[in-house]
Amino acid sequence: GQSLEQPSEVTAVEGAIVQINCTYQTSGFYGLSWYQQHDGGAPTFLSYNGLDGLEETGRFSSFLSRSDSYGYLLLQELQMKDSASYFCAVLYNFNKFYFGSGTKLNVKP
Amino acid sequence: SAVISQKPSRDICQRGTSLTIQCQVDSQVTMMFWYRQQPGQSLTLIATANQGSEATYESGFVIDKFPISRPNLTFSTLTVSNMSPEDSSIYLCSVHVRGLTDTQYFGPGTRLTVL
Repeated sequence: GQSLEQPSEVTAVEGAIVQINCTYQTSGFYGLSWYQQHDGGAPTFLSYNGLDGLEETGRFSSFLSRSDSYGYLLLQELQMKDSASYFCAVLYNFNKFYFGSGTKLNVKP
Repeated sequence: SAVISQKPSRDICQRGTSLTIQCQVDSQVTMMFWYRQQPGQSLTLIATANQGSEATYESGFVIDKFPISRPNLTFSTLTVSNMSPEDSSIYLCSVHVRGLTDTQYFGPGTRLTVL
């Protein structure tokens, strides 16, 4: 499998910007994805980076640097509904995803 | 995109029994997977469900404990055999869709409690 590291918990206030980092092993790496999961719900897809650089989707952006084996998810204009767990996941050998341990984001008023 | 349904949504089972979880996708997909997630924990890949051949299991998971069927490109089952309380978890079916981006869609999950 793969080893991915991300912070266990992050706290921020409404309207702020938060960055969740993810580092991974390079063996078999094809791309990096991010997923959001609310308590009691299934993970939902946020973004995928197959190439280096920044991908932007509304308030969420994701970045990948293959040379540094590193990526991040950037959440802007935080809202209370963004409180959830965020997982980075590596696409391994182009056919399956391995997930990081998850980052619990707490958004405070 | 893909819409995935799972049955049952939850179950409480006795130790030593088996439970079969069904996963139905609204479109044909090549790659289908089964994950396990303990509350508050990450998703652990159990196996890749291969259509027309035996499933590919990850380290720590074996066919005798988690037999998987994949009779066609829209359906799969996962059986949790000879259950113990340690098998209590959420079991999720997912599919990998390739397009402009590689996207993985998840079913709603099956919450299993073993007494």
